Amino acid sequence: RKEVEQDPGPFNVPEGATVAFNCTYSNSASQSFFWYRQDCRKEPKLLMSVYSSGNEDGRFTAQLNRASQYISLLIRDSKLSDSATYLCVVSRGATNKLIFGTGTLLAVQP
Amino acid sequence: DTEVTQTPKHLVMGMTNKKSLKCEQHMGHRAMYWYKQKAKKPPELMFVYSYEKLSINESVPSRFSPECPNSSLLNLHLHALQPEDSALYLCASSNLGVDPRDEQYFGPGTRLTVT
Repeated sequence: RKEVEQDPGPFNVPEGATVAFNCTYSNSASQSFFWYRQDCRKEPKLLMSVYSSGNEDGRFTAQLNRASQYISLLIRDSKLSDSATYLCVVSRGATNKLIFGTGTLLAVQP
Repeated sequence: DTEVTQTPKHLVMGMTNKKSLKCEQHMGHRAMYWYKQKAKKPPELMFVYSYEKLSINESVPSRFSPECPNSSLLNLHLHALQPEDSALYLCASSNLGVDPRDEQYFGPGTRLTVT
């Protein structure tokens, strides 16, 4: 079993739709949580850190449930430019090692 | 400005060549990382430098040799690579490298092809 699991998709949604991605992690010692997006043949870009209280940045909302070891990302009012792979990432220990999920591919259709 | 730069963008090398990848950041970050990413796979950590000292080597073969000349620069020296080493090599940096809440910022990567 992978340490960070995501539905690989693809998620094909129309512009303006709301889409939710889920992620589970297996190691309860995981301490920090992030969502990155990666465009085809580009580097991962940090979208947001995820806090226990939940956090929102414009159209993006991230939630963390430590008891269930579950992280989510909600994108409202999808834009064509949101098309990318969304990577769920956890970090643990003093060495700041990032463990990536396999990513979920989002394709927003006009 | 969260900018990490990497050179070259693309590199083609033979199995007997020696080459180096370079990474630079000017954000005052004290931790720098090398990742390897194969097609359709997530990045995998190779090395971590914290305060210019190697703190993690993820059992990477010795044909990959990292070097951190100062806190802004990170090199990856390559020698006697195999075709299966072809991948996107990503450099990242973060503030301290000893706090799991540190956010890592990635450079654009070097796309390496070994022939």
